[in-house]
Amino acid sequence: ETGVTQSPTHLIKTRGQQVTLRCSSQSGHNTVSWYQQALGQGPQFIFQYYREEENGRGNFPPRFSGLQFPNYSSELNVNALELDDSALYLCASSYGTGEQETQYFGPGTRLLVL
Amino acid sequence: AQTVTQSQPEMSVQEAETVTLSCTYDTSESDYYLFWYKQPPSRQMILVIRQEAYKQQNATENRFSVNFQKAAKSFSLKISDSQLGDAAMYFCAYRRRNTDKLIFGTGTRLQVFP
Repeated sequence: ETGVTQSPTHLIKTRGQQVTLRCSSQSGHNTVSWYQQALGQGPQFIFQYYREEENGRGNFPPRFSGLQFPNYSSELNVNALELDDSALYLCASSYGTGEQETQYFGPGTRLLVL
Repeated sequence: AQTVTQSQPEMSVQEAETVTLSCTYDTSESDYYLFWYKQPPSRQMILVIRQEAYKQQNATENRFSVNFQKAAKSFSLKISDSQLGDAAMYFCAYRRRNTDKLIFGTGTRLQVFP
């Protein structure tokens, strides 16, 4: 166990809807990253939050947005869902940013868009 | 752009035997980190081993060791005395220094037979 939890575990939405996925990090972990893992692929970096500010973004459109809260929880929001958004969404937390820090992953939320 | 390639979609090994998973990467950076992550059916990504590019010595963690060939941009994982619990997807990942963004390969599914 990594001490990182995500909710819900599974979710089904229809195209055009909006979704919010949640992540609860280990206490003291002020950095959270979100990844999208399509079926049969490795995870792709969406963005990272550090001390409640976005601190880096991958090649994802603005309809992917996030929030980080002082209580070490965070959210990934996706607007105007598309079929290709169907994937496993992983969050990973660490203490601070920097090369010495290990990222701890949650179990993921599997999103299906119909 | 940095890329990570895992050319073995599936590997199998007999319990107690040794198996090697391959990974190559492409980068123009000289300072970076390499990782092997394990993703069992529970989906939680677990760090197996990490290697700092500036270290010539290959990393070792119990039954897991790496063969890091910086000039060849190769980073293979050797699992000794394989156990049934080692069965999982294994992902090779790259991270440039001073970033937290992980770049993953497409993974290798490892099966362990009794």
